[in-house]
Amino acid sequence: DADVTQTPRNRITKTGKRIMLECSQTKGHDRMYWYRQDPGLGLRLIYYSFDVKDINKGEISDGYSVSRQAQAKFSLSLESAIPNQTALYFCATSDPSGTGHNEQFFGPGTRLTVL
Amino acid sequence: AQTVTQSQPEMSVQEAETVTLSCTYDTSENNYYLFWYKQPPSRQMILVIRQEAYKQQNATENRFSVNFQKAAKSFSLKISDSQLGDTAMYFCAFMKPEGAQKLVFGQGTRLTINP
Repeated sequence: DADVTQTPRNRITKTGKRIMLECSQTKGHDRMYWYRQDPGLGLRLIYYSFDVKDINKGEISDGYSVSRQAQAKFSLSLESAIPNQTALYFCATSDPSGTGHNEQFFGPGTRLTVL
Repeated sequence: AQTVTQSQPEMSVQEAETVTLSCTYDTSENNYYLFWYKQPPSRQMILVIRQEAYKQQNATENRFSVNFQKAAKSFSLKISDSQLGDTAMYFCAFMKPEGAQKLVFGQGTRLTINP
């Protein structure tokens, strides 16, 4: 089973709709991240969380909100989706105290299309 | 703020050839990590290789090696004996080991290995 999972894998929605993307992990990591990928721009950080009570904005947080329901779950919400939020969204986890040397482990991504 | 630049949007080589992908970055930090990630058509982000800035020795992982030039702020990836399975998008990324440990990505290079 995958260590980091994302649901849904693909989603098409309409402008103005509320959308939630979910991320779950079984790696036991405290740190979780949400990135979005756009062609020609690479991946950019939306939000990150160090634990359930510690949530921080990334460089492109406008129009997004997050919820850390448990150590293993980190959800990204678009309160009112707009077409320029069409992108590939990735969740990632890390454990700085572990042996992974600051490696981030990525989920499979969610392709979101806003019409 | 740190920036990462990949100046080659696309590259194409024949199978078994050697190819080098370029990456430059800008930072005032002395201690940091650099990464190359591979993204095949499956969309999964796969860590290829990692370099700690305090290490002078260039990292190698089988057919993958880097040329890390700290003074020039350059971090290129060399793929030897390229294989069809190396066809993917490749992202260079920077990370400060302190604080948020967020990844700052370049724009990506689309690499195609031709039979």
